[in-house]
Amino acid sequence: EAGVAQSPRYKIIEKRQSVAFWCNPISGHATLYWYQQILGQGPKLLIQFQNNGVVDDSQLPKDRFSAERLKGVDSTLKIQPAKLEDSAVYLCASSGPGEQYFGPGTRLTVT
Amino acid sequence: QKEVEQDPGPLSVPEGAIVSLNCTYSNSAFQYFMWYRQYSRKGPELLMYTYSSGNKEDGRFTAQVDKSSKYISLFIRDSQPSDSATYLCAMSYNTNAGKSTFGDGTTLTVKP
Repeated sequence: EAGVAQSPRYKIIEKRQSVAFWCNPISGHATLYWYQQILGQGPKLLIQFQNNGVVDDSQLPKDRFSAERLKGVDSTLKIQPAKLEDSAVYLCASSGPGEQYFGPGTRLTVT
Repeated sequence: QKEVEQDPGPLSVPEGAIVSLNCTYSNSAFQYFMWYRQYSRKGPELLMYTYSSGNKEDGRFTAQVDKSSKYISLFIRDSQPSDSATYLCAMSYNTNAGKSTFGDGTTLTVKP
């Protein structure tokens, strides 16, 4: 059974560099989420899409983070420029009627 | 003060033990309560989903919500080594489970 796919799985960059993460949700899921999970903490919602429209981006640091979901399927999350405090796991999740699934995440280390 | 506080753990129990995982919250507007299981280097997996106060049982897992005390629990009966994971509680105001406030997780180890 296909799940939520994310790439890359790991990324190490220096501060002030840029980075992009990719997510492919479960087929047919209209809603897509990006979360940030800092080590030892629960996930924090960054942005929620319904099809290709943004539903909630109230916790997205818009001065450095951006996200898009072209054609209502795949999504990318970008950080530019990265800060040390952006080191975290970035989780993508998708949901359909009565179900929600998370991807394995991208572990970002900013040095 | 965080909206959702979770017993930090870590918790280590022998196989077969009953495990109790707990969260408290401060916002009485929360209506939906979830428990997720997260294995190392994996994304969270939704285990239980309850609305308002009461109990819900699913196999070896029981979720309990006490809105008057702003306290929720997850009980695991006959714990197995495969239950070893981090358990996250989460709460939301509405059915938009994605916009949930998560606890910081309790790491459970079940020893054979």
